[in-house]
Amino acid sequence: DGGITQSPKYLFRKEGQNVTLSCEQNLNHDAMYWYRQDPGQGLRLIYYSQIVNDFQKGDIAEGYSVSREKKESFPLTVTSAQKNPTAFYLCASSLLQGRPEKLFFGSGTQLSVL
Amino acid sequence: AQSVSQHNHHVILSEAASLELGCNYSYGGTVNLFWYVQYPGQHLQLLLKYFSGDPLVKGIKGFEAEFIKSKFSFNLRKPSVQWSDTAEYFCAVHTNAGKSTFGDGTTLTVKP
Repeated sequence: DGGITQSPKYLFRKEGQNVTLSCEQNLNHDAMYWYRQDPGQGLRLIYYSQIVNDFQKGDIAEGYSVSREKKESFPLTVTSAQKNPTAFYLCASSLLQGRPEKLFFGSGTQLSVL
Repeated sequence: AQSVSQHNHHVILSEAASLELGCNYSYGGTVNLFWYVQYPGQHLQLLLKYFSGDPLVKGIKGFEAEFIKSKFSFNLRKPSVQWSDTAEYFCAVHTNAGKSTFGDGTTLTVKP
């Protein structure tokens, strides 16, 4: 099956710890995105990448880092600098063919702080 | 910077009622507008999209949306809702530069 796989489904972070959320897609999509979803606040863009080895900050990039070493993978690291990391994190991907195509979403990772 | 505003956070309707969810956007370039839906326990999925041409676009499950450029709006409509339309609805702007911005979402509850 083609799609986007996020892991783990649930993740717990201790104070001062960095954690990495995985996102893999086998759709051969060019662009990948990370969103944070908080109740009543919709989806807020953290980082996005249109091409391997390149990525841009979204609206709430502080305290997060990403890499795009392979087309199919876009891991997100939540660093200790992110003071309020508890949220639901969604990864998405899309084709880029001149104009933007629809986003395909993963099933999400719920991150909680211990 | 682009932004998307959805006016209603929670809408409650009875079956067969008509639906209109408001969406206003702010962006200086070419807009590509989308509505996504998230049914309980499912992934976000595309409902409909507008790039250019006819400002009235039709999507899945009887939904439609109208792009009004002068009002910077892209409201979602359905003439008669069903219980199965209970979901969260998100309006989004995708730019040609690859950035996608979503509204806060509207939760629709349809009472049988």
